[in-house]
Amino acid sequence: AQSVTQPDIHITVSEGASLELRCNYSYGATPYLFWYVQSPGQGLQLLLKYFSGDTLVQGIKGFEAEFKRSQSSFNLRKPSVHWSDAAEYFCAVGGKRGAAGNKLTFGGGTRVLVKP
Amino acid sequence: DTAVSQTPKYLVTQMGNDKSIKCEQNLGHDTMYWYKQDSKKFLKIMFSYNNKELIINETVPNRFSPKSPDKAHLNLHINSLELGDSAVYFCASSQGPGYEKLFFGSGTQLSVL
Repeated sequence: AQSVTQPDIHITVSEGASLELRCNYSYGATPYLFWYVQSPGQGLQLLLKYFSGDTLVQGIKGFEAEFKRSQSSFNLRKPSVHWSDAAEYFCAVGGKRGAAGNKLTFGGGTRVLVKP
Repeated sequence: DTAVSQTPKYLVTQMGNDKSIKCEQNLGHDTMYWYKQDSKKFLKIMFSYNNKELIINETVPNRFSPKSPDKAHLNLHINSLELGDSAVYFCASSQGPGYEKLFFGSGTQLSVL
């Protein structure tokens, strides 16, 4: 069974500082990995995804994530955080791309608070 | 134009009632989903439809019944509501069943009293 763990429930960071959110997954085959962001009262928005190829992927809003197969991790980073980055961040893992019936498994989320 | 819209945004009801949540997407996507987000923010898939056909049906009580009249709509009907059904329900869509990119609605906060 696939699973996702986000070890940090809350992270507080100062505006302008760097941010790293941890994600560890468990999946029996090649994983498809995603990061989504949820602003208060909103649905989730895709930040970036990894299917194959370069293990460092760039996303929207200045975010990037690095896939490390040996560590079963897909950590999200941003060099300089803006106040608008305060939100809940979800890591997710999915199975074979395009296969009918596959589904995403989400982690429990990390809430990011940004201090002025 | 909102890509994935769901109504109502808030739903407060008594135990035992029957309620529906509607979802519509104007993206021309073939696949739609219902996700449930509990009070601890865990997000779990409930159902998925591809071209009006049910392709994912997680272990969900049969009080929950999705209905897809066409591929742009996926409604969720819940019978005999229970306290434990209180959650935020998200509708989502994607181009195909491989969910390359999910587009989410803004959620329906269901409170069962």
